[in-house]
Amino acid sequence: KQEVTQIPAALSVPEGENLVLNCSFTDSAIYNLQWFRQDPGKGLTSLLLIQSSQREQTSGRLNASLDKSSGRSTLYIAASQPGDSATYLCAVISGGFKTIFGAGTRLFVKA
Amino acid sequence: ETGVTQSPTHLIKTRGQQVTLRCSSQSGHNTVSWYQQALGQGPQFIFQYYREEENGRGNFPPRFSGLQFPNYSSELNVNALELDDSALYLCASSSPTESRDTQYFGPGTRLTVL
Repeated sequence: KQEVTQIPAALSVPEGENLVLNCSFTDSAIYNLQWFRQDPGKGLTSLLLIQSSQREQTSGRLNASLDKSSGRSTLYIAASQPGDSATYLCAVISGGFKTIFGAGTRLFVKA
Repeated sequence: ETGVTQSPTHLIKTRGQQVTLRCSSQSGHNTVSWYQQALGQGPQFIFQYYREEENGRGNFPPRFSGLQFPNYSSELNVNALELDDSALYLCASSSPTESRDTQYFGPGTRLTVL
C-alpha cells in the first residue's frame, strides 16, 4: 500500500530564504509525482509534474527533483516571498488513476 | 477555456441527510476524480470517472456514489451523512491529450454535517 509522507509538517522562514520541502513514498512503482499549492480553504494549484522517467522539473523559482529508487522527492523554493505562504502537497500517481497525497507542509514566509 | 468549477461553494447538512455535489470539468477533459479533504489532511481519493464509467475507487463506503454525464460533468452523492463526512470535497479533471494524470482541481465544496 502506497504511503506518502511530507516533512516538515510546518515551516516558518524569513523572506528571501531558500528552502527545501521533502516528500517520501513507500512504493517506487509510480507513474508520476506532482507538487501542488493550496491556499487556505481553496482548491489545489498544480506547480510541477515529474514523470517517472524524469529526475527534475523547474518552473521559475521552483525546482522539484525525483529519486524513485529511494522513494524521495524534494521541492526547492528559491528566494522565498510572503506570497509563497501556503500549504504544499505532493501526490504520487500509481496505476494511472489512483492519486495518493501527503498531508502537506504548511509554509509561512515572514516579511 | 474555462477551468474546473464546483457547486455549491458551501453546504450545511444534518446527520442522516443526503447531499449531491456537482463538478464541471475543464473543456476537453473526459476524466473526473473526486477527493475528500479533512481539515489539516491531504486529499483522499474517493473515485474516478472516465467516459461515464467508474474507473477506480478508494477506500470509501458505498454510500458515496457518483455519476458522470455525456458532457463529462459529474456528481458526487453521499447518503446517510455522518459527522465525519464534514470536509472539503474536491474534484479534478484530466485530459487524454495531455498527460492523463495531470489533474486540474476545482475550488472545492465545503460540507459541514451537524
